[in-house]
Amino acid sequence: TQLLEQSPQFLSIQEGENLTVYCNSSSVFSSLQWYRQEPGEGPVLLVTVVTGGEVKKLKRLTFQFGDARKDSSLHITAAQPGDTGLYLCAGGRSGGSNYKLTFGKGTLLTVNP
Amino acid sequence: KAGVTQTPRYLIKTRGQQVTLSCSPISGHRSVSWYQQTPGQGLQFLFEYFSETQRNKGNFPGRFSGRQFSNSRSEMNVSTLELGDSALYLCASAKVRGSGANVLTFGAGSRLTVL
Repeated sequence: TQLLEQSPQFLSIQEGENLTVYCNSSSVFSSLQWYRQEPGEGPVLLVTVVTGGEVKKLKRLTFQFGDARKDSSLHITAAQPGDTGLYLCAGGRSGGSNYKLTFGKGTLLTVNP
Repeated sequence: KAGVTQTPRYLIKTRGQQVTLSCSPISGHRSVSWYQQTPGQGLQFLFEYFSETQRNKGNFPGRFSGRQFSNSRSEMNVSTLELGDSALYLCASAKVRGSGANVLTFGAGSRLTVL
């Protein structure tokens, strides 16, 4: 059973378009992280959200943690080719090691020039 | 500062062989985690080491093992390789193991192909 479902699985858009990717779970997480992974590289952390309803902005990227801390979204405004990559969400739980993050399978984004 | 270094970057083995992968964490990071990444299953947690002790283990068979040395460098070993072990193996280090959200820094991975 995949605890974190990401959608869509694949997304191909033109430069300048906006997009939203989703990360959903039936479980509650104490924190949720978003990573971006480029070909041939490991994932790189973009943001960590820990409070239900929290919204964080990173330039053209907006991250939101659901009120119930079960879901999250990533919105990109005016996408650029440099945004191309695999976007992974990862949920962490307190009470144990937070290094045992649960990852979604990712959304593969391609931004065409 | 230097990032997380994984060696080798690429390797090809045949079924039944064993393989050892190495990970050098960021200086000062005492926690090292290992993940397996495949197109079908995504990123799956293998195990985490902190101060030379395995603190968490994922749902992988006993053929997958690891260890951490006193300098925090870590190795993972896979014995009796199967075709399904072909994957990108990622190592991630973190500074502390606490109760809050921690920041993982990943290496570039070791891509294993089993023929």
